[in-house]
Amino acid sequence: EAGVTQFPSHSVIEKGQTVTLRCDPISGHDNLYWYRRVMGKEIKFLLHFVKESKQDESGMPNNRFLAERTGGTYSTLKVQPAELEDSGVYFCASRRGMNTEAFFGQGTRLTVV
Amino acid sequence: QKEVEQDPGPLSVPEGAIVSLNCTYSNSAFQYFMWYRQYSRKGPELLMYTYSSGNKEDGRFTAQVDKSSKYISLFIRDSQPSDSATYLCAPTGGGSYIPTFGRGTSLIVHP
Repeated sequence: EAGVTQFPSHSVIEKGQTVTLRCDPISGHDNLYWYRRVMGKEIKFLLHFVKESKQDESGMPNNRFLAERTGGTYSTLKVQPAELEDSGVYFCASRRGMNTEAFFGQGTRLTVV
Repeated sequence: QKEVEQDPGPLSVPEGAIVSLNCTYSNSAFQYFMWYRQYSRKGPELLMYTYSSGNKEDGRFTAQVDKSSKYISLFIRDSQPSDSATYLCAPTGGGSYIPTFGRGTSLIVHP
C-alpha cells in the first residue's frame, strides 16, 4: 500500500509568486490534514478535510492560503502571493477514521526568497 | 504559554544508554498522548500512544503519562544509533482528535 505522497519535495520561489503544494493521501482515507513547521518551531495544524469538506480550518494563517480537495481524493494547498514568513516544511497526513493512526507524508520544504 | 512544551535538545547519549524524553502540556482536556518519531527529511511516524494516565510498554519503549502533573515521558532502553531522530510528543483530546505537537527533542545515539 502506497503511503502519503507529497509534491514537490522542495520548492524555492520568490516573494510574491504563487506556489501549489499537492498531497496524495492513502487510498480510502477520508481524513486529510495539512500541517506546517516553521524553522525552530513546533508543527502547527493548518486544516482538516473530511472527504471534500473542510472540517476545521482554524489553523490557516490568512487568506493567502487556499486548500482544496476536489472529489475527496488528493488535496492542494496554494499560497498566493507567497511571503518570506511562509517558508517552512508543509506536511500532509491522512487517516481512515478520527481515532485511527495518522500517516504523514515526507513534507514539502518551501523556501520563499 | 504554549500548549505543549518540549526541550528541543539535542540530547546526545552513548549506545546502550537509557533515554528519557519529556513533555509538559497545559490543556487538561487532552486524553490521548502520542509519541511520533521523525527522521531527517522524513515525515513524523507514530511510535506509540497511551490513553489517560499510566504506562504503556512496547519493546524497548515505554510511554508514561501523569495527568495530575500534565507530564508525559518516553523512555528508551538499550538505545541504538538507529534511534537517532527527533521525538515529538503530540497529545490530543477534548473533542478533537487533531494532535497538538511539541517542538520535538533531537536525540543522538552515538556508537
